[in-house]
Amino acid sequence: DSGVTQTPKHLITATGQRVTLRCSPRSGDLSVYWYQQSLDQGLQFLIQYYNGEERAKGNILERFSAQQFPDLHSELNLSSLELGDSALYFCASSVDENTEAFFGQGTRLTVV
Amino acid sequence: AQSVTQLGSHVSVSEGALVLLRCNYSSSVPPYLFWYVQYPNQGLQLLLKYTSAATLVKGINGFEAEFKKSETSFHLTKPSAHMSDAAEYFCAVTPKTPGYNKLIFGAGTRLAVHP
Repeated sequence: DSGVTQTPKHLITATGQRVTLRCSPRSGDLSVYWYQQSLDQGLQFLIQYYNGEERAKGNILERFSAQQFPDLHSELNLSSLELGDSALYFCASSVDENTEAFFGQGTRLTVV
Repeated sequence: AQSVTQLGSHVSVSEGALVLLRCNYSSSVPPYLFWYVQYPNQGLQLLLKYTSAATLVKGINGFEAEFKKSETSFHLTKPSAHMSDAAEYFCAVTPKTPGYNKLIFGAGTRLAVHP
């Protein structure tokens, strides 16, 4: 157990809908990262937050957004969902921006 | 731009045999390098990392990797495979700059171990 908690574990939703994925980082970790794992794209970095502020952006679609709250948990919001958004979404956290990240078990999103 | 190439999307070995998973990186300066393992229906677990200390890095579960700057490689090895090593392995790189983050992953190598 990495200490990073992601909910829900599985999510099935219809095209056009909006979902929110939640991540609780390890106790004491200030940095949160979101990654998407899909069969065709592999593991892709989406976005990073550090102590509530956005720090880095990767291949994140405009339909996706994220935030980190004062209690350091983070949410990834996916809207206007398409079939191609079906993937495993990982959250990871680290103490700061200079230490390795620990990954949660992921949320498997299926868009039908 | 940095990138990672993992040679061989599938590797199959016998139990007790040497495991060798290949990783080459592309970067103008040596980056930080990582190997992660993903078991079925699990998240990613860090096996080991190279951050410019010793070039031979020992990780968990008997794995180790050697950083070779001249070959831009960071291959993962284990002397004797165990059935429990069957999983997908990812090599990743991140720039050696303050605030290192944004792991760039290779495509992964699925390791099968047969009796």
